[in-house]
Formats: sequence, C-alpha cells, structure tokens
Amino acid sequence: AQTVTQSQPEMSVQEAETVTLSCTYDTSENNYYLFWYKQPPSRQMILVIRQEAYKQQNATENRFSVNFQKAAKSFSLKISDSQLGDTAMYFCAFMKQGNRDDKIIFGKGTRLHILP
Amino acid sequence: EAQVTQNPRYLITVTGKKLTVTCSQNMNHEYMSWYRQDPGLGLRQIYYSMNVEVTDKGDVPEGYKVSRKEKRNFPLILESPSPNQTSLYFCASRAGLYNSPLHFGNGTRLTVT
Repeated sequence: AQTVTQSQPEMSVQEAETVTLSCTYDTSENNYYLFWYKQPPSRQMILVIRQEAYKQQNATENRFSVNFQKAAKSFSLKISDSQLGDTAMYFCAFMKQGNRDDKIIFGKGTRLHILP
Repeated sequence: EAQVTQNPRYLITVTGKKLTVTCSQNMNHEYMSWYRQDPGLGLRQIYYSMNVEVTDKGDVPEGYKVSRKEKRNFPLILESPSPNQTSLYFCASRAGLYNSPLHFGNGTRLTVT
C-alpha cells in the first residue's frame, strides 16, 4: 500500500524567506501523480501544484516549485519570497495512474507559519 | 463558477440523531468522494463514487452511508452519529481524467455530543 510521509509537523519562517516542505512516499508503482494542497485558516483545500511522475522536469507555479526525486521517492515543495498569506496547513498527496478507485493518499500535513 | 458546495458549514448534534451532509458539484465530474480530517491524521477517505449508482468504501466507512442517485449530488449520511465522528468533513470531486486533481467543498465541521 502507498504511504505519504510529511516529517515536519510545524514550521515557522520570516516573511520574504524561502521555505521547503518535505514529503516522501512509498510505492511500487511507476506511474503516478503527486500533489501539494494548501489549507489556510478558512479551511478551504486549494491545489498548489501537481507533478506527473513520468515528467522529469519539476513543476513550477509562480512562487511555488517542487523538487521531485523519483528514485528517492521525494517530493518537496519550495515556497520562494514567502508571504503572510502562505500561512496554512500543507498536505502532500499521492495518486497512482489509472486510479479507478479514486483513492488519493494524503500525508498528515505540515503547518506553516509565515512571521511578519 | 465551478465549485463543490457542501452544507451545512457547521453542525452540532447529539448521539444517535440521524443527519445528512449535502454535497453538490456543477462541473459534471464523474468521481466524487468524502474525506474526514482529524488532527495528526490528515485526510482519510470515507466513501467514493465513480459514477451514478456506483459507490464504494474508502478507508474509514464504518458509521457512514452515501448515495449517488444523480451525477451532481453525493450526500453523506450518518444514521446514528457517535462522538468519535466529530470531525471536519470534506466532499470532493474530480473529472475522469487520470491526473485531474480533486476539487474540494468548503468543509463541514461536525460535533457530536
């Protein structure tokens, strides 16, 4: 069974700094997808970024980028020039390709505080 | 606006009193699912549905029921709620494409006393 591990339960950084959230996963699948979701205090779940395992190029969305290391089964999220609005819980998630059971496995989350 | 609508946002009830949390999406998504979020446990899938009249259990289905009579609606039913079902619940949907991400509702905070 697939598992997703986020080893940092909580982090704090100063505004404008760069922060990296770690995520590792365990799978025997070769084709899969990885996601980062953000949950601000409003508790909405917002997709931040996604990565297809077959793509070697790391995904980027504005200030958000990932470091995808397939062999190491690592999928970290880097937030550059952090802003107060980045304060949220962040969840890493895994979905295998051809996932007909619609199961997406979530990590337990990292609570990120951006300090003014 | 494309969205998943969940109601109510907050619900306080007593043990044993049946309740329903509604979920509706306007994106014509095939897949819908329910998750519960608990501190330190992340999100865990309760039930999912691949299409109308097709539902199946997730990781934590005990004490819950669902139905999918129409494509857009996927209500979560607690026939006899218990305090251990106090949690934050999310409905989500996605298109049938393999890499399509989940779209979440705004969550329902349920307290069972």
